[in-house]
Amino acid sequence: SQQGEEDPQALSIQEGENATMNCSYKTSINNLQWYRQNSGRGLVHLILIRSNEREKHSGRLRVTLDTSKKSSSLLITASRAADTASYFCATGSVASGGYNKLIFGAGTRLAVHP
Amino acid sequence: DAEITQSPRHKITETGRQVTLACHQTWNHNNMFWYRQDLGHGLRLIHYSYGVHDTNKGEVSDGYSVSRSNTEDLPLTLESAASSQTSVYFCASSPSGRTYEQYFGPGTRLTVT
Repeated sequence: SQQGEEDPQALSIQEGENATMNCSYKTSINNLQWYRQNSGRGLVHLILIRSNEREKHSGRLRVTLDTSKKSSSLLITASRAADTASYFCATGSVASGGYNKLIFGAGTRLAVHP
Repeated sequence: DAEITQSPRHKITETGRQVTLACHQTWNHNNMFWYRQDLGHGLRLIHYSYGVHDTNKGEVSDGYSVSRSNTEDLPLTLESAASSQTSVYFCASSPSGRTYEQYFGPGTRLTVT
């Protein structure tokens, strides 16, 4: 079963625009992470936010977490064609069997057009 | 540089054959994981290990087994390959403690005919 569900499933934007992806989950969590996957490659960790944090930044990435709504968002500002990839949220929780054991959502496919 | 590798990268096998996918990491991580990725399902956990001689079942473990004899390796065995096991398989590792991010290998594309 999937803990996280991303929305939208697919997103198409122009270079320079901002991209926002959302993730909802079902149970209380310890941490929520976002990963990127380029076509034909493994996943790459982008950012981790803990349950007691509300917002984190890393370069052009901004992640928010609302534990009351059980949701998170990933904002990529000033997108580039190289940001074209699939983005996954993953949660670690007691319900998942431990904070190190992640449950992944189905992902958002982002296409950034030059 | 530390890394995580998988072999083979591509494998075609026949139904009923035993197949082993290798995963090797040089991060010295205690935690290792096997996932399968299918269209529309994201990544689903098959088996995981928190240290040498420790193995645990994930949500889709039927038909798969793992063993952990050292820190670096977690081979995944398909006992009798089935067409439903055609998928892309990813291995990942993470350190112990409160850093929970996982490092992924490049994946193995397995086709069962």
